[in-house]
Amino acid sequence: QVQLQESGPGLVKPAETLSLNCTVSGGSIRSSSYFWGWIRQSPQKGLEWIGSIHFSGTTYYNPSLKSRVTVSVDTDENFFSLNLGSLTAADTAVYYCARPRRYGTSWIDSWGQGIMVTVSS
Amino acid sequence: HSVLAQPPSASGVPGQRVTISCSGNNSNIGSNTVDWYQQFPGTAPKVLIYGNHQRPSGVPDRFSASKSGTSASLAISGLQSEDEADYYCAAWDDSLDGPVFGGGTKLTVL
Repeated sequence: QVQLQESGPGLVKPAETLSLNCTVSGGSIRSSSYFWGWIRQSPQKGLEWIGSIHFSGTTYYNPSLKSRVTVSVDTDENFFSLNLGSLTAADTAVYYCARPRRYGTSWIDSWGQGIMVTVSS
Repeated sequence: HSVLAQPPSASGVPGQRVTISCSGNNSNIGSNTVDWYQQFPGTAPKVLIYGNHQRPSGVPDRFSASKSGTSASLAISGLQSEDEADYYCAAWDDSLDGPVFGGGTKLTVL
């Protein structure tokens, strides 16, 4: 069973860039069957998909965040990353890394435990 | 507000059958399958139902779901105290080109 683990800062300042990593264990990130993604959850917006990546480098992003988001993958070290720029208080949320079963589905069979990120000066 | 509409709360007594509705449109539920997630406080969501009505191994058959048109519903029969959690529906959205979620329904077992 694949396991996902988020890492990164819990507090970031407004206007700065959030960088999170998701380490994948128990399976290879090179699996052609899966995408790897980021989802966040806040009381204000609920669950919100941020973006996803295939190990080949194919990415797709939530249009509402696309101008500020980059998702990348490191196949050698078996992890993927999220960069979210121009942060505001509205980006305060629990950030989850996740594994959608495939492109075109909302079926996510593995989730990280989540990391709380607060945007505040 | 969330793309998919769910009632914010639901409740029932042990042994009762409870249903939770989820409403979308033709770009999401109307043209793609629906998944349901269960979330306990402080933990990540866990898939309860995928592909409209399929249960992953380990999910009791007390949980069932269906879809019709642009709406879906989750049913929990033989309600138990451990079912008290938040429940979310989700579907792929062709307009967004990504998954969308409901706002969640907090289930209270009285």
